Amino acid sequence: EDQVTQSPEALRLQEGESSSLNCSYTVSGLRGLFWYRQDPGKGPEFLFTLYSAGEEKEKERLKATLTKKESFLHITAPKPEDSATYLCAVQARSGNTGKLIFGQGTTLQVKP
Amino acid sequence: DTAVSQTPKYLVTQMGNDKSIKCEQNLGHDTMYWYKQDSKKFLKIMFSYNNKELIINETVPNRFSPKSPDKAHLNLHINSLELGDSAVYFCASSWRGGNTIYFGEGSWLTVV
Repeated sequence: EDQVTQSPEALRLQEGESSSLNCSYTVSGLRGLFWYRQDPGKGPEFLFTLYSAGEEKEKERLKATLTKKESFLHITAPKPEDSATYLCAVQARSGNTGKLIFGQGTTLQVKP
Repeated sequence: DTAVSQTPKYLVTQMGNDKSIKCEQNLGHDTMYWYKQDSKKFLKIMFSYNNKELIINETVPNRFSPKSPDKAHLNLHINSLELGDSAVYFCASSWRGGNTIYFGEGSWLTVV
């Protein structure tokens, strides 16, 4: 069964304190791994798509990496505005339906 | 302009009532989705339509009936609402195969 597990569930950082969020996955043929950011009361906002092991993508203070079993979202020198829930999702190659399987998310709080 | 818009944003209703949530996307995508986010913030797909054709139905109770009048609109009608239907419902859209799926702001449904 396709599955996504994120850790930790919650993370508190001081402003400037770098850290990483983990996303472990099992999927019957990975089409893509997605990272979304979700602010309270809002819908998920697309951040990155990774397609193959070894791939990396960056956006401002965020960098996403992918291996055959997991993905990391590295946050460098975070600011309070980076506080949000970060969601990881996978899309299987089979079926071509576009279905995303989400993890439970990591809620990040960055204190000034 | 909002890419994926859904109405209403908040809905409080009594058990047994019938309600609808409407969704429209202006991204020109051919595939639309309904996802449900429970109290633990776990996002799970309910339905997917491609060019008005149902392609995903994830064992959702028959009380939930999606309707797609055209590829830019996907509405969700819920009959005989139950307490357990209380959740946030997100509409989303993408191209078929969905490399990137864009979400709306969500509709908060509370059944009392």
